[in-house]
Amino acid sequence: GAGVSQSPSNKVTEKGKDVELRCDPISGHTALYWYRQSLGQGLEFLIYFQGNSAPDKSGLPSDRFSAERTGGSVSTLTIQRTQQEDSAVYLCASSLVGSQGNYEQYFGPGTRLTVT
Amino acid sequence: SQQGEEDPQALSIQEGENATMNCSYKTSINNLQWYRQNSGRGLVHLILIRSNEREKHSGRLRVTLDTSKKSSSLLITASRAADTASYFCATAITGRRALTFGSGTRLQVQP
Repeated sequence: GAGVSQSPSNKVTEKGKDVELRCDPISGHTALYWYRQSLGQGLEFLIYFQGNSAPDKSGLPSDRFSAERTGGSVSTLTIQRTQQEDSAVYLCASSLVGSQGNYEQYFGPGTRLTVT
Repeated sequence: SQQGEEDPQALSIQEGENATMNCSYKTSINNLQWYRQNSGRGLVHLILIRSNEREKHSGRLRVTLDTSKKSSSLLITASRAADTASYFCATAITGRRALTFGSGTRLQVQP
């Protein structure tokens, strides 16, 4: 398949543990986005990568959250010292050049994170 | 706060009826996009309308955009049970790369 893939699909972790969520974007898409969706809510922007430019981290809710994108492809979102309020579905999307958001975004199936 | 707010929050109709969902936003946009989400997982892009466009069609979907009122509507004609999903509007704001999503409309189409 040529779509965006995410792993794991589900993750249950204990409060205080670190977690890593992975996103494989569509090949050739230079823009990659991470969003978070709490139950019954809309999507909350977390971070945006575009090519080799510095990422837009303006949506990260705290310094416990970080993300990297290696080689302009795969991205990892890391949450340190998880809290119960971090429980949500984490969605990754990719698109062609993200200038001004003019291009449609292709979403992965998401990772459902549950912090107990 | 959300840039886009959908109305209604929930909508239940019978198969064959039309469904209309509205979206309002606050700041100037480059384009507005509508997405569909099944079962709280990945979103699927439905249609994009640019700020200089007023109406766009795609199959049974019709989207309008009124930049003077900062609002958009999504019309699904001749709805089917398979259209049951949550629908989100997302705005591409000038100077911001990521989309800003509304809270969504949950559509239930009864067979």
